Amino acid sequence: DTGVSQNPRHKITKRGQNVTFRCDPISEHNRLYWYRQTLGQGPEFLTYFQNEAQLEKSRLLSDRFSAERPKGSFSTLEIQRTEQGDSAMYLCASSLVLRLAGEETQYFGPGTRLLVL
Amino acid sequence: DQQVKQNSPSLSVQEGRISILNCDYTNSMFDYFLWYKKYPAEGPTFLISISSIKDKNEDGRFTVFLNKSAKHLSLHIVPSQPGDSAVYFCAASKGNQFYFGTGTSLTVIP
Repeated sequence: DTGVSQNPRHKITKRGQNVTFRCDPISEHNRLYWYRQTLGQGPEFLTYFQNEAQLEKSRLLSDRFSAERPKGSFSTLEIQRTEQGDSAMYLCASSLVLRLAGEETQYFGPGTRLLVL
Repeated sequence: DQQVKQNSPSLSVQEGRISILNCDYTNSMFDYFLWYKKYPAEGPTFLISISSIKDKNEDGRFTVFLNKSAKHLSLHIVPSQPGDSAVYFCAASKGNQFYFGTGTSLTVIP
């Protein structure tokens, strides 16, 4: 399977705990995105990487959130001191962009569903 | 601010008939538009896209229409099949900025 994979698929944690999610993009894709999706909403942008560089972060991404893509391949999203409001589906997407003005299609992973009790 | 809107949260269609899903956007700078399909407990799956320089793109049973003057796009599925039952999200982009609608849940009745 050469699609985007995410682990774990489900995570239940207690408020105040730290959690870390992993995303493995489609190989050779140079961009990787993190989104959050809550019930009844579309995916909301959190942050994205071009290779290993984190180029943009949303205002939704508080300082409790940190993302890394150390070698330009897989990425991790960590949430520190989780709050009940962090409960959501966290989606990862990857894309291959060969030129700045090119059309970009993102391919999504299955998501990690987080429940903070 | 919701830059991409899907005003119909749900749609039911008889098998074999046409399904039309609609999407409106507010930012005239968007230059690429996509439709995704999502089953429960799965991530969105890319379905079809259209560049702002076109007004129609077709892929099998799926056709996307873009009306730039009205800032409106639609997805036509014909004929609809029960396996098409899912939530459909439209997305609009400019560069690396992607904005998604809230989704329309399509039910195709056998």
